[in-house]
Amino acid sequence: DTEVTQTPKHLVMGMTNKKSLKCEQHMGHRAMYWYKQKAKKPPELMFVYSYEKLSINESVPSRFSPECPNSSLLNLHLHALQPEDSALYLCASSQGILNTEAFFGQGTRLTVV
Amino acid sequence: EDQVTQSPEALRLQEGESSSLNCSYTVSGLRGLFWYRQDPGKGPEFLFTLYSAGEEKEKERLKATLTKKESFLHITAPKPEDSATYLCAGRTGANNLFFGTGTRLTVIP
Repeated sequence: DTEVTQTPKHLVMGMTNKKSLKCEQHMGHRAMYWYKQKAKKPPELMFVYSYEKLSINESVPSRFSPECPNSSLLNLHLHALQPEDSALYLCASSQGILNTEAFFGQGTRLTVV
Repeated sequence: EDQVTQSPEALRLQEGESSSLNCSYTVSGLRGLFWYRQDPGKGPEFLFTLYSAGEEKEKERLKATLTKKESFLHITAPKPEDSATYLCAGRTGANNLFFGTGTRLTVIP
């Protein structure tokens, strides 16, 4: 089973709202990732967690706040977003952060109005 | 600067017409070259991992190869259901997994 589950599938939020994206995997993977993908562009790395600790933050604005409550769960808290933050947000996991492939969820389509 | 470049940007093939997609990389301390398939509005689906020059992997109509500077994804006798964007990604010494811009493949019946 190589399933990464993301909820919700679609989200529309106003610029003053607070919302959260959720990601779950039960493959025993110890690295989890958030990516952002705009239309017709490749995924861009936002954050990497390794063993539940933040190991990479690609200079992401503070209106995006990641959280890793345990080894199976990854959240992305959203606050005061801008319309240009509208994108497909992808979660991925891998066995480790060295040499291993990452498996992706189906993404959350976020629209900021 | 670490970089992954894919070509062509878009490719249209007749059903059964074999071809190759290219992924060129300049990555210091490459820790794996990965191929993914992505359908519109979906997450990337893992296809292959390649670690060293000369390595080859196959899956159905797809075959991935790796040299010291590039990787190829060969598609043999493609079918319309192979239409998708194919992404190449490299993992660097900093353990970042970063992607090329992809090749949009359309297979015409």
